[in-house]
Amino acid sequence: QKEVEQNSGPLSVPEGAIASLNCTYSDRGSQSFFWYRQYSGKSPELIMFIYSNGDKEDGRFTAQLNKASQYVSLLIRDSQPSDSATYLCAGNNDMRFGAGTRLTVKP
Amino acid sequence: DTGVSQNPRHKITKRGQNVTFRCDPISEHNRLYWYRQTLGQGPEFLTYFQNEAQLEKSRLLSDRFSAERPKGSFSTLEIQRTEQGDSAMYLCASSLKGQGRVYEQYFGPGTRLTVT
Repeated sequence: QKEVEQNSGPLSVPEGAIASLNCTYSDRGSQSFFWYRQYSGKSPELIMFIYSNGDKEDGRFTAQLNKASQYVSLLIRDSQPSDSATYLCAGNNDMRFGAGTRLTVKP
Repeated sequence: DTGVSQNPRHKITKRGQNVTFRCDPISEHNRLYWYRQTLGQGPEFLTYFQNEAQLEKSRLLSDRFSAERPKGSFSTLEIQRTEQGDSAMYLCASSLKGQGRVYEQYFGPGTRLTVT
């Protein structure tokens, strides 16, 4: 069983819409979670991390963590074509990544 | 530039040859990770170091792969007797562990290996 599961998509949303990306994990040892964005042919770049249950907002991005249900999500408001990328999540205990969710934002 | 650097950026080799990649982490980071990524997949964990100690190695990692971080600074990843299935992007990342907490990882640009 994979430690981290993501809805692999692809996910397509129109420009200006909210994109919702989800990740479930099995390792309860992870106390914090990270979201990375990876453009095609590039390495992952950190966009957000969250340590506590609840929501964390940073600009157009909101990360949500629910430790009881073992899921973490990322919401992207006012999606832009430049947000089109693969989004990866990982827990800090083992830094295992899911397969990622490919997001396309259509103009 | 104080980010993670990797060399070379691209490597083409013939099957059966040995290759070595280098990673220079962010200077104050005590953890260093190696991943392998193929098209359409997330980064696959290979191994990680805390300072010079190799703390974990993936069970999926063949004995042909070895990694070192001799002085707790840069690291090398060697693949012996390369096979076509080794063709992938090899990513290095570094992070800080302190105060009982593991901080976020920062990735280098990767080394793309092509085995012909």
